[in-house]
Amino acid sequence: DIQLTQSPSSVSASVGDRVTITCRATHGISNWLAWYQHSPGKAPKLLLYSTSFLQSGVPSRFSGSGSGTDFTLTISNLQPEDSATYFCQQSHILPWTFGHGTTVEI
Amino acid sequence: QEQLVESGGGVVQPGRSLRLSCEASGFIFSNYGMFWVRQAPGKGLEWLAVIWSGGPNVDYADSVRGRFTISRDDSKNTLVLQMNNLRGDDTAMYYCVRGMGGSWPHWYFDLWGRGTLVKVS
Repeated sequence: DIQLTQSPSSVSASVGDRVTITCRATHGISNWLAWYQHSPGKAPKLLLYSTSFLQSGVPSRFSGSGSGTDFTLTISNLQPEDSATYFCQQSHILPWTFGHGTTVEI
Repeated sequence: QEQLVESGGGVVQPGRSLRLSCEASGFIFSNYGMFWVRQAPGKGLEWLAVIWSGGPNVDYADSVRGRFTISRDDSKNTLVLQMNNLRGDDTAMYYCVRGMGGSWPHWYFDLWGRGTLVKVS
């Protein structure tokens, strides 16, 4: 199975800051990576797919980049509602696997 | 409004069975592949099962293959996960998820429910 390692595991930032989260795969996954946001008590939400494609309705302050084994999620101009856990997911091969998550505290 | 609502979770003894349901609304359920994903306490997310649109093609994670069965009833917009021979490590929040994507297996999870909690004890 492809393992995804996220870093950092948690980050504390202020409104207006830029936050970068990384996701590293144990094997190359081309650009088959997605990012999700999960707030307590809410359903997880797809933010970006195929590394950099913004899901409909997601603010443009979320962006993604990378290829192969190393990927990043960047949140620019951090807002209070961005306080959540973010996790990556690969869809290169089965089984689909997820990173363990990064908690963003504001 | 597109929505997935899970039900059926609860406390169950090891070795027993439990049936989870997911009611879909706000979209054409039969057009989508559907998934079950879980998150154990303090752990990451784990994909469990997938069923193609129109059925009957399914696939499972090794951890549940032979114990869990995914099915769907498109006439009722319902996804089901039958869980047999439950173990302590099946304790988790279980999510019903809709798939999006083109070529297999490059699918993503574009709509999630809020989950239903299963505790095996």
